[in-house]
Amino acid sequence: NAGVMQNPRHLVRRRGQEARLRCSPMKGHSHVYWYRQLPEEGLKFMVYLQKENIIDESGMPKERFSAEFPKEGPSILRIQQVVRGDSAAYFCASSPTTGEVQPQHFGDGTRLSIL
Amino acid sequence: DQQVKQNSPSLSVQEGRISILNCDYTNSMFDYFLWYKKYPAEGPTFLISISSIKDKNEDGRFTVFLNKSAKHLSLHIVPSQPGDSAVYFCAASDNQGGKLIFGQGTELSVKP
Repeated sequence: NAGVMQNPRHLVRRRGQEARLRCSPMKGHSHVYWYRQLPEEGLKFMVYLQKENIIDESGMPKERFSAEFPKEGPSILRIQQVVRGDSAAYFCASSPTTGEVQPQHFGDGTRLSIL
Repeated sequence: DQQVKQNSPSLSVQEGRISILNCDYTNSMFDYFLWYKKYPAEGPTFLISISSIKDKNEDGRFTVFLNKSAKHLSLHIVPSQPGDSAVYFCAASDNQGGKLIFGQGTELSVKP
């Protein structure tokens, strides 16, 4: 999984705090995707971004969750006022900008634990 | 609404034999399919993909078969090796360059 960098690898927050997860895509990739994996489940799509644009946020919860991919710097997934149900592994993936469909390459994830 | 299903949560195979992992989908708009392998505490690693214009794609020990009429795909690993032991996810896309829909995963155990 070299290339897509996520940090922190582990994040512990108390209920009501904010969580910020960061993702730097592979070099040359301008498409970023966020997925969430709950225990014993597959990965669920959350949001798809390109630089400064949200392309598809159909998987994002309506409240408390937001994502950005600024012109400079990593993509950020922000969770406000965290609750126990937010405990999960959050994975970021990236793909290059080409006319052909390309596989997404994943980082090693951030494990979020809510106390 | 589970659009991509992997009905076998686990599979055990002897080293050297063939491993066959199965995946079914319901959305006829899907036209790009991928298999990922995942070890604990790591992210998914891309293995192999197939476009809906093909029915087979091969890469070394890995072959993916697509049966569009049955909305079914399978991953064959031959010969299986103990290092192949991991959770395997199939995923599908409607080729809009966007989200992947994942199955629940199948845990493969290859015994020496």
